[in-house]
Amino acid sequence: GESVGLHLPTLSVQEGDNSIINCAYSNSASDYFIWYKQESGKGPQFIIDIRSNMDKRQGQRVTVLLNKTVKHLSLQIAATQPGDSAVYFCAEKRGSARQLTFGSGTQLTVLP
Amino acid sequence: DAGVIQSPRHEVTEMGQEVTLRCKPISGHNSLFWYRQTMMRGLELLIYFNNNVPIDDSGMPEDRFSAKMPNASFSTLKIQPSEPRDSAVYFCASQAATNEKLFFGSGTQLSVL
Repeated sequence: GESVGLHLPTLSVQEGDNSIINCAYSNSASDYFIWYKQESGKGPQFIIDIRSNMDKRQGQRVTVLLNKTVKHLSLQIAATQPGDSAVYFCAEKRGSARQLTFGSGTQLTVLP
Repeated sequence: DAGVIQSPRHEVTEMGQEVTLRCKPISGHNSLFWYRQTMMRGLELLIYFNNNVPIDDSGMPEDRFSAKMPNASFSTLKIQPSEPRDSAVYFCASQAATNEKLFFGSGTQLSVL
């Protein structure tokens, strides 16, 4: 039969525009969240993280927003550049466990 | 710091052969993770070690997979015998005791023919 892979959500933005990538999580016990960027042929690279006692955290050109009420996480990238084209993953940590559980990812494409 | 180092970068083998993937974590990190990435299932945790001791191996697919961490600077993931469905990118990641961030290696692209 035909194999079906993960259907990665895709987001295309114009260079210079802002990007917003969304992620839903399921476990209300999760207390730490993190965003990774993965370029083709490379391993995931840390972007920004946030703990559950915060609802916003800013980095260089990136902001993470956490809405615990609806279990939603978003990554905002300001002034998106061609080098931002990649797959973006959110991940969560649950309680005392050390491991991260990853979402399925979003493919971001920056258009010239 | 060289980061997490994995070898080989690419491995092509025939079904039934033994495959060994290697990882050197970042010096000073005390946790090490093996993840597998496929189009079908995304990034899945296979096993992780804390202070060289396996803590959670519930993600290991079956007895054909085994992982060891003989010391703080080296880990292996072995598949014996390999099967075509094992084809994937295998990532190793390490983590410091005081931080939740995982630092990933560049991965091993495994193709089992």
